[in-house]
Amino acid sequence: QQQVKQSPQSLIVQKGGISIINCAYENTAFDYFPWYQQFPGKGPALLIAIRPDVSEKKEGRFTISFNKSAKQFSLHIMDSQPGDSATYFCAASRFNDYKLSFGAGTTVTVRA
Amino acid sequence: GAVVSQHPSRVICKSGTSVKIECRSLDFQATTMFWYRQFPKQSLMLMATSNEGSKATYEQGVEKDKFLINHASLTLSTLTVTSAHPEDSSFYICSARADGNSPLHFGNGTRLTVT
Repeated sequence: QQQVKQSPQSLIVQKGGISIINCAYENTAFDYFPWYQQFPGKGPALLIAIRPDVSEKKEGRFTISFNKSAKQFSLHIMDSQPGDSATYFCAASRFNDYKLSFGAGTTVTVRA
Repeated sequence: GAVVSQHPSRVICKSGTSVKIECRSLDFQATTMFWYRQFPKQSLMLMATSNEGSKATYEQGVEKDKFLINHASLTLSTLTVTSAHPEDSSFYICSARADGNSPLHFGNGTRLTVT
């Protein structure tokens, strides 16, 4: 049973555009929501993470929006660059155990 | 920043043999490490939680006798795939964290191919 549902499966965006990836979770005990970026043949790298006490967190061109009542969170990549082309995974866990449940992943392709 | 090193990055072995994969935390001590498995174009599936000095905790459906995990020190966890078969071919990734307030860091994975 997949505890975190992620969409879309893939997306193509023009350079300078905005990439938006959405995730939804079921387990109300989750209180840690990280996003990971993965390039082919590499392990995931932590991009940005949020806790439920805030509704939005921004780091550079990456923003997480969090809706606790809807049990949804999303990643926005502003001013998308070709170097952002990668697979992005959302995840969720209880903050104190880090047993992450991953979404299915979104392959982002940024066209120059 | 925190670095997790995984070795080897790629390994090819024959069916029936065993393969050991190492996961090291290079600049921090990790009481807990996690092992994931990832099939091509799919998500990461947690296999087991490795705790230093104690037995690993395996996720449902993961054969503990096939995937032996040892976490003998605060900087090293190993995953041994025993009697490997072609269906064990996959990308294995470890992760580690320093403490409860630190983020989880991933290694670069090990591509296992069983022929």
